[in-house]
Amino acid sequence: NAGVMQNPRHLVRRRGQEARLRCSPMKGHSHVYWYRQLPEEGLKFMVYLQKENIIDESGMPKERFSAEFPKEGPSILRIQQVVRGDSAAYFCASSPSPSGGAIEQFFGPGTRLTVL
Amino acid sequence: AQSVTQLDSHVSVSEGTPVLLRCNYSSSYSPSLFWYVQHPNKGLQLLLKYTSAATLVKGINGFEAEFKKSETSFHLTKPSAHMSDAAEYFCVVSDTDSWGKLQFGAGTQVVVTP
Repeated sequence: NAGVMQNPRHLVRRRGQEARLRCSPMKGHSHVYWYRQLPEEGLKFMVYLQKENIIDESGMPKERFSAEFPKEGPSILRIQQVVRGDSAAYFCASSPSPSGGAIEQFFGPGTRLTVL
Repeated sequence: AQSVTQLDSHVSVSEGTPVLLRCNYSSSYSPSLFWYVQHPNKGLQLLLKYTSAATLVKGINGFEAEFKKSETSFHLTKPSAHMSDAAEYFCVVSDTDSWGKLQFGAGTQVVVTP
């Protein structure tokens, strides 16, 4: 059973461009979570999605950021008009049911976004 | 709301000596607590978790952690460090108020010297 897959692993964008980060959850997992890790910091929750639904986006910046998890295909985290402050590692995690208590989130290897 | 504080940003140990990574949490309810490890340029791997069962939790690679409610602590230990333990370690609390949102500590970077 393949783990959580993220691509690309590294992404370089110039200021003002768009960044699209993809996450394929583990087989059988329908719950996806996105986190951002700034240099020298821990992971910060961004958004929690189930298939075709956003459950909690309390950690998402109000502008330029959006996320989706369509019925078919990977979850996408989209950042429009990137700025230097968006440079970070973005991690995706998945779980078979709502995370909490004994339910573990399984993490992907991350996408490292660099904005020039 | 829950939060975690990792008391050391960097820990350096000699190979073969004990490792202690300190974590304190704040929570209104009985929390679920986790330790994750992140090797360079890799994703996070779960070391162990506490979910209100036994207070002494054994994890992978010889790590264990003890939940102490009176001290609101969940320190991670290993009796004998190995070179492969060099990594960043995160203490994490699950928000029991809602769907289980994970709150990460700032991390402890572990260096193991020969």
